[in-house]
Amino acid sequence: DSGVTQTPKHLITATGQRVTLRCSPRSGDLSVYWYQQSLDQGLQFLIQYYNGEERAKGNILERFSAQQFPDLHSELNLSSLELGDSALYFCASSVTDSPNEQFFGPGTRLTVL
Amino acid sequence: AQKVTQAQTEISVVEKEDVTLDCVYETRDTTYYLFWYKQPPSGELVFLIRRNSFDEQNEISGRYSWNFQKSTSSFNFTITASQVVDSAVYFCALSEAGTGRRALTFGSGTRLQVQP
Repeated sequence: DSGVTQTPKHLITATGQRVTLRCSPRSGDLSVYWYQQSLDQGLQFLIQYYNGEERAKGNILERFSAQQFPDLHSELNLSSLELGDSALYFCASSVTDSPNEQFFGPGTRLTVL
Repeated sequence: AQKVTQAQTEISVVEKEDVTLDCVYETRDTTYYLFWYKQPPSGELVFLIRRNSFDEQNEISGRYSWNFQKSTSSFNFTITASQVVDSAVYFCALSEAGTGRRALTFGSGTRLQVQP
């Protein structure tokens, strides 16, 4: 158990819908990262927050957004969902903004029908 | 731009064999970090090791060992006396310190099947 929690574990929804994925980092970790794992794209970085502020963006679509709250938990919002958004979404946390090891949550498997 | 290549898509070995997973990386940064993660069939990503670009010493942890060679931009991972529980997908990843990109750039992964 990495100490990073993600909910829900599974999510099934329809095209055009909007969903919210939630992540709680390990106790004491200030940095939260979101990654997407799909069969065709592999593991891709989406976005990073550090102590409530957006720090870096990767290959995140405009239909996706995220935020980190004062209690350091983070939410990833996915809207106008398409079939191609079906993937495993991971949240990871690390202590600081340095390249420390990132500890990953169990992931949320999103299926868009 | 940074890139990580894991040319071996899938490797199958018999239990107790040694196996080496290859990782080649590209970066323009002089300060960077390399990682290995394991993804067992259950799906979670498990951290195995972090190595910074200034430390080329090989590392051994039990049956696991890592060989970092800057001259060939490689960070290979060897499992000695493999076991069925080692069956998983293994990812090599890179993080750059100088450019401020802390996020991990992953390779495509190597699926290791250890047969009993």
